[in-house]
Amino acid sequence: DIQMTQSPSSLSASVGDRVTITCQASQDISNYLNWYQQKPGKAPKLLIYDASNLETGVPSRFSGSGSGTDFTFTISSLQPEDIATYYCQQYDNLPQTFGQGTKLEIK
Amino acid sequence: EVQLVQSGAEVKKPGESLRISCKGSGYSFTSYWISWVRQMPGKGLEWMGRIDPSDSYTNYSPSFQGHVTISADKSISTAYLQWSSLKASDTAMYYCARLERDGDYNYWGQGTLVTVSS
Repeated sequence: DIQMTQSPSSLSASVGDRVTITCQASQDISNYLNWYQQKPGKAPKLLIYDASNLETGVPSRFSGSGSGTDFTFTISSLQPEDIATYYCQQYDNLPQTFGQGTKLEIK
Repeated sequence: EVQLVQSGAEVKKPGESLRISCKGSGYSFTSYWISWVRQMPGKGLEWMGRIDPSDSYTNYSPSFQGHVTISADKSISTAYLQWSSLKASDTAMYYCARLERDGDYNYWGQGTLVTVSS
């Protein structure tokens, strides 16, 4: 299985801050990587697909970049509604695998 | 409107069997794979496997192969996740999700909470 390592596992930031989460794959996955947001008690929501494509309807403050083994997810200006846990997911190989998640809190 | 509606919460005893469901609507059910994802209490997301509803072809994660069965009935636009003998460690929230492009999931069910306790 491809291992996805996210960092940090938790993060505290202030409204308006720029927030960055990284995801490292244990092998080259090209750009076959997605990012999801999950709020407590809710299903995950797709934010970014194919490493850098913003899903329709998702605010432009969210962005993704990277290819190969190293990927970055960024919130350009943190909003209170962005409090959630964020997951990366690779789909280059089966089984698809998720990172362990990054819990984002407001400082 | 695309919707995936899952069956309700279940409380079972170890060793019992269970089948939970995921009904798709608002789209051609046979045109999109359905995956199942587990989330244990307070933990992250785990991909369990997927099914092509058009022909019921399945892929499983090795971590779940042999312990669960994924199936579908295209006549009623419903996918299933089934256990023949539950364990306490199967206690989790289970989500179904529709595979969009090559590997992303844009539509998710609301989740089914399965609790296994003696």
